[in-house]
Amino acid sequence: ETGVTQTPRHLVMGMTNKKSLKCEQHLGHNAMYWYKQSAKKPLELMFVYSLEERVENNSVPSRFSPECPNSSHLFLHLHTLQPEDSALYLCASSQGFQGTNEKLFFGSGTQLSVL
Amino acid sequence: AQKITQTQPGMFVQEKEAVTLDCTYDTSDQSYGLFWYKQPSSGEMIFLIYQGSYDEQNATEGRYSLNFQKARKSANLVISASQLGDSAMYFCAMREASGNTPLVFGKGTRLSVIA
Repeated sequence: ETGVTQTPRHLVMGMTNKKSLKCEQHLGHNAMYWYKQSAKKPLELMFVYSLEERVENNSVPSRFSPECPNSSHLFLHLHTLQPEDSALYLCASSQGFQGTNEKLFFGSGTQLSVL
Repeated sequence: AQKITQTQPGMFVQEKEAVTLDCTYDTSDQSYGLFWYKQPSSGEMIFLIYQGSYDEQNATEGRYSLNFQKARKSANLVISASQLGDSAMYFCAMREASGNTPLVFGKGTRLSVIA
């Protein structure tokens, strides 16, 4: 079992659909992250949760709504997305949130296609 | 301004040869951490190596070493004895001590190992 598990691996949705991405970490970490990876662009940080509280929200459109019910689970709720939202969405976790040596552990991502 | 610059979109290397992937960074912090991640076609980001800004020696992890030149703000990854399984995207990332900024990534370099 990998440390960070994301489901589904692939998702195709229409612009009017509502769907959710799920992330679960089995590492006992206290911080969890959502990153967006689009073609030919650096990974973009979307949201950070530390001890289940959101500490970072990088001006992400409201059609993306995160939820962190406990330190092991992180969701990204999707609503009325646009085709430009098609990307690989990566979840990550780390032991803590502060510290320059905090390693992030990533899941395999959800490849999202918006039609 | 970009915090992390990876100038090589793609690199080729012969199997069993060494290869250097370039990374330069921009920060005014004295304390920061530098990371390299590997992303194979499966999508998962795999941590490879870490270098702290105060570390006097270059980091090494098996076949990976980090050529850290602080004055040049350079943190190149050296892979020795390349293997076919090393073919992947490689990302350089930095975490600064100031603020609450988690890892910031470069655009990546695609490495192809040729038999």
